[in-house]
Amino acid sequence: NAGVTQTPKFQVLKTGQSMTLQCAQDMNHNSMYWYRQDPGMGLRLIYYSASEGTTDKGEVPNGYNVSRLNKREFSLRLESAAPSQTSVYFCASSRLAGAHGELFFGEGSRLTVL
Amino acid sequence: SQQGEEDPQALSIQEGENATMNCSYKTSINNLQWYRQNSGRGLVHLILIRSNEREKHSGRLRVTLDTSKKSSSLLITASRAADTASYFCATAPTGTASKLTFGTGTRLQVTL
Repeated sequence: NAGVTQTPKFQVLKTGQSMTLQCAQDMNHNSMYWYRQDPGMGLRLIYYSASEGTTDKGEVPNGYNVSRLNKREFSLRLESAAPSQTSVYFCASSRLAGAHGELFFGEGSRLTVL
Repeated sequence: SQQGEEDPQALSIQEGENATMNCSYKTSINNLQWYRQNSGRGLVHLILIRSNEREKHSGRLRVTLDTSKKSSSLLITASRAADTASYFCATAPTGTASKLTFGTGTRLQVTL
């Protein structure tokens, strides 16, 4: 089983460029999440989707947009990348709606904005 | 702001020893979860303990939860070099529908 798959694994952008991080899960999970991980900061929630057709802001949504394309896919878009968005991005999914069950994480997408 | 804070930030032990990590949080919770992250990899779920539980075991892992002190501990017994990783607690505060909040983690180094 693939679990949660993120693409790309690595990306270098220039300030002002746009890009989309893709995430897909094959576990038929209802909820999906995007986190960013910075040194010394732990993981911070950017956006989440409790179920297909719904999305909500997390702790640090500014500068990002998301799309829950279908039950499997949840994408994260940076419209105009800034150096402060240099980070490792993790997509996760969970079977249970809400924070009531375990999260399954992808391997991460490492983004550098110059 | 972080809901959970792990202590210590870093821990170095020898193989065979026990490792204890602590997590403190600020508000009431539905559950508390522990995750492991190997260097350069995604997080892997270890154990979930609900607010009405006090202790839970999984293999060499033992997790305790003290809701009166708003704290949890993760004990890894008989550590192995393969246990070298960062460990994160994550809390599901009551009243927040889908927001699992992570701490900053404890980096565990197990040497031979």
